[in-house]
Amino acid sequence: GAVVSQHPSRVICKSGTSVKIECRSLDFQATTMFWYRQFPKQSLMLMATSNEGSKATYEQGVEKDKFLINHASLTLSTLTVTSAHPEDSSFYICSARRRENEKLFFGSGTQLSVL
Amino acid sequence: DAKTTQPTSMDCAEGRAANLPCNHSTISGNEYVYWYRQIHSQGPQYIIHGLKNNETNEMASLIITEDRKSSTLILPHATLRDTAVYYCIVRPTGGGNKLTFGTGTQLKVEL
Repeated sequence: GAVVSQHPSRVICKSGTSVKIECRSLDFQATTMFWYRQFPKQSLMLMATSNEGSKATYEQGVEKDKFLINHASLTLSTLTVTSAHPEDSSFYICSARRRENEKLFFGSGTQLSVL
Repeated sequence: DAKTTQPTSMDCAEGRAANLPCNHSTISGNEYVYWYRQIHSQGPQYIIHGLKNNETNEMASLIITEDRKSSTLILPHATLRDTAVYYCIVRPTGGGNKLTFGTGTQLKVEL
C-alpha cells in the first residue's frame, strides 16, 4: 500500500521556539494532505487541509498564524508550530491521498513536547 | 457530515472473531463507510471501506445493513496485535473528503 512518511517522530523543544514537521508521500503524488492533532486519550481532530500550490484551509478554532502549513510539492507538506507553548504539546499526524474520493493514508505521527 | 456511534470498548478472546458495530443512521446514499484503527502512539491504519455491498480483504470483513444505517467490522481471528482503537467513519463526498474521527471503540484482545 501507499506510504506516508512523517518526520520527526518525536521532538522536545523549549517554549517560544518553532518546530517544523514534515509529511511526505513516498510512492504517490498527493494533491491533498490533512493535518490532525490528538491529545492523550482523545480522538484525532482535523486541523487543516493542505492543497498543493495553494493556501491551506484551516478548521474553525485553529490559528493559521500559529500553525503554518506549506504544501510546495505533490509529495511534501510541512507543518510549523510557531512560538510553541506547553499547551501545544500533542501528537500531530498527517495524512495524504492521491485523488478525491480515494482512501487516506496516514503518517506515523509526531509527538511534540514543549517544555 | 454523517455522525457515527460506536461502543466505547470491547473485549475479545484471542483466536475468536471480533465483531465491532457502528451506527450511522444519517448516512447519505453516496457516502462510504470507512474503518481505520489506531494502535497506541501510531498513525491510523486503513482497514476497509464499503458503500452498499459487503466487503472482505486480507484484514477484515465489512457487513453493511441493507438500509445502510449500520455496519459491522469483523476481524475473523483476533490476535493480541489487533488491540487498538477502531474508528468507523462516514466519508462525505466532495468538500475535500475530510475524515472526521469520532471516539472509536477500544478493542482489547486477551489470551
